[in-house]
Amino acid sequence: NAGVTQTPKFQVLKTGQSMTLQCAQDMNHEYMSWYRQDPGMGLRLIHYSVGAGITDQGEVPNGYNVSRSTTEDFPLRLLSAAPSQTSVYFCASSIQTGISGNTIYFGEGSWLTVV
Amino acid sequence: KQEVTQIPAALSVPEGENLVLNCSFTDSAIYNLQWFRQDPGKGLTSLLLIQSSQREQTSGRLNASLDKSSGRSTLYIAASQPGDSATYLCAIRGDNQGGKLIFGQGTELSVKP
Repeated sequence: NAGVTQTPKFQVLKTGQSMTLQCAQDMNHEYMSWYRQDPGMGLRLIHYSVGAGITDQGEVPNGYNVSRSTTEDFPLRLLSAAPSQTSVYFCASSIQTGISGNTIYFGEGSWLTVV
Repeated sequence: KQEVTQIPAALSVPEGENLVLNCSFTDSAIYNLQWFRQDPGKGLTSLLLIQSSQREQTSGRLNASLDKSSGRSTLYIAASQPGDSATYLCAIRGDNQGGKLIFGQGTELSVKP
């Protein structure tokens, strides 16, 4: 059981370039989300999805785009990379919304540097 | 707007000591609270989840408590070991829609042999 898989692990981009961070889970989880982690600021929610075909914005959505065409995959697209998007990105999933006791599982992170 | 704070930002203790990590939040209307462990260069691993109707949860040497009225949660680690060295984060889930989490900044724990 692979859990939540993120690729790539490390990426360096030039300002203005676009790229996609991939996230896949094999647990048949409905809920998936993307967070970014910056020093001294904890994790902040970028976008999330409660099921295939449904996405919504989190706390810091600007500059990012997502889609959810399948239950398993939830890619995060950087449209035009900026140095402020240098961060560590985490994808997460959980079994279902509306259940108080369900645990959220995280991928191992993607380190992105924009120069 | 919910805000989550963890103090201290860093903590260093000798091996074998019992310790408490603190998490405070501003809005008591929470759905659940979760404690995570993060090792350097790694993702987050869930340690304990406390539902809003619960007061505490225990797993091995870890015990987490929740006091919604005072907006506080504590993570108690008994008989600390060097392998407990990591960053510990608490996160609040505010509602039953989407499972969005609001994180504290974390406490970096170092347990010295």
